[in-house]
Amino acid sequence: EPEVTQTPSHQVTQMGQEVILRCVPISNHLYFYWYRQILGQKVEFLVSFYNNEISEKSEIFDDQFSVERPDGSNFTLKIRSTKLEDSAMYFCASTGGIFTDTQYFGPGTRLTVL
Amino acid sequence: DAKTTQPTSMDCAEGRAANLPCNHSTISGNEYVYWYRQIHSQGPQYIIHGLKNNETNEMASLIITEDRKSSTLILPHATLRDTAVYYCIVRDTRMNRDDKIIFGKGTRLHILP
Repeated sequence: EPEVTQTPSHQVTQMGQEVILRCVPISNHLYFYWYRQILGQKVEFLVSFYNNEISEKSEIFDDQFSVERPDGSNFTLKIRSTKLEDSAMYFCASTGGIFTDTQYFGPGTRLTVL
Repeated sequence: DAKTTQPTSMDCAEGRAANLPCNHSTISGNEYVYWYRQIHSQGPQYIIHGLKNNETNEMASLIITEDRKSSTLILPHATLRDTAVYYCIVRDTRMNRDDKIIFGKGTRLHILP
């Protein structure tokens, strides 16, 4: 069964450093998303992406964040200068297969900012 | 904010049916009811969704009341691996395939051995 994959599973970085989180959505999907979950809190929407541009972004998704689909398979989230409060699980999701509007999530990347 | 109300937590004995309720009294005619679960900080896992009729798949059954103001997710024979947080979500997916999911706090289901 097709699935969303994410790498790395765990990323540790120093405050102020740039990080890139990678996702491979399900192959025939067209809509892509990033969510995050701070430990013990709700899953929060960050951004949606379609046709090579951002469709919607939350207030969390400020100028420090960017997304890109550099090729036909990868979807990345970049944080330019990480802050302590960026420590969270980051989940990628995709949807838009022919028969479904269901969003399918990846296993997540745990980002720890020291 | 999430448009649904769920109990904070529930217990269920292993092997028994787990019935998870959800209230969505403000649901509109075009909105579907979706259920996801999250096992210990893993990515949310899609379970099932429905509009009006009851639905069943290999994981669960979804019972939606006639007025659509509430629903129940049924795990017919709960196992320890079903211990998770279960999210009931209302979504209008007619045309907006890029619409975000708004997660609430969900129900923390404990399956007891």
